[in-house]
Amino acid sequence: AQSVAQPEDQVNVAEGNPLTVKCTYSVSGNPYLFWYVQYPNRGLQFLLKYITGDNLVKGSYGFEAEFNKSQTSFHLKKPSALVSDSALYFCAVRDRTGANNLFFGTGTRLTVIP
Amino acid sequence: NAGVTQTPKFQVLKTGQSMTLQCAQDMNHNSMYWYRQDPGMGLRLIYYSASEGTTDKGEVPNGYNVSRLNKREFSLRLESAAPSQTSVYFCASSEEAGWGLANNEQFFGPGTRLTVL
Repeated sequence: AQSVAQPEDQVNVAEGNPLTVKCTYSVSGNPYLFWYVQYPNRGLQFLLKYITGDNLVKGSYGFEAEFNKSQTSFHLKKPSALVSDSALYFCAVRDRTGANNLFFGTGTRLTVIP
Repeated sequence: NAGVTQTPKFQVLKTGQSMTLQCAQDMNHNSMYWYRQDPGMGLRLIYYSASEGTTDKGEVPNGYNVSRLNKREFSLRLESAAPSQTSVYFCASSEEAGWGLANNEQFFGPGTRLTVL
């Protein structure tokens, strides 16, 4: 069975500081991994995904994520946080067979403090 | 290009009433999905349609039915609403169809906030 853990419900970071939002996963075989962001009263927006190749994936709005197979993690990072990055972030996983659908974590609320 | 649109944006129902949530996409995507979002639980898949003419149950299908009307439209019906169905409902679509195309991202609509009294 697939699963995703986002161990932190809430992450606070000062503007200009680096941010990390954590995600670990469990899936049979190699995964496809995704990050989505949700702004208030909006649908989810795709940020980035890991399919294969380079473990460091770059996405929208300056975000990046590092795939670590040995630690089964896919943490989201940004070198310098903006107040406008404050939102709800979801990690999602899918196995490569396509037999199972995308499975989302419970979300992490990021607050960037001016 | 509107992407994924959903109607209505808000709805209040009484227990036992029925309603249909509408979803349409203009990206010529093959696959469409219905999710519900509840606090602390992330998104859970209700039903999906891998391609036009097919529908399948997701993680939480009880109390819901769906119709893939054509390639563009995918509706979700609550036949007899219950307070446990109070939630925010999201429709999504993606290009994929069939196995081997599981790496496509999904595009989400703005959501429908449903309250069942």
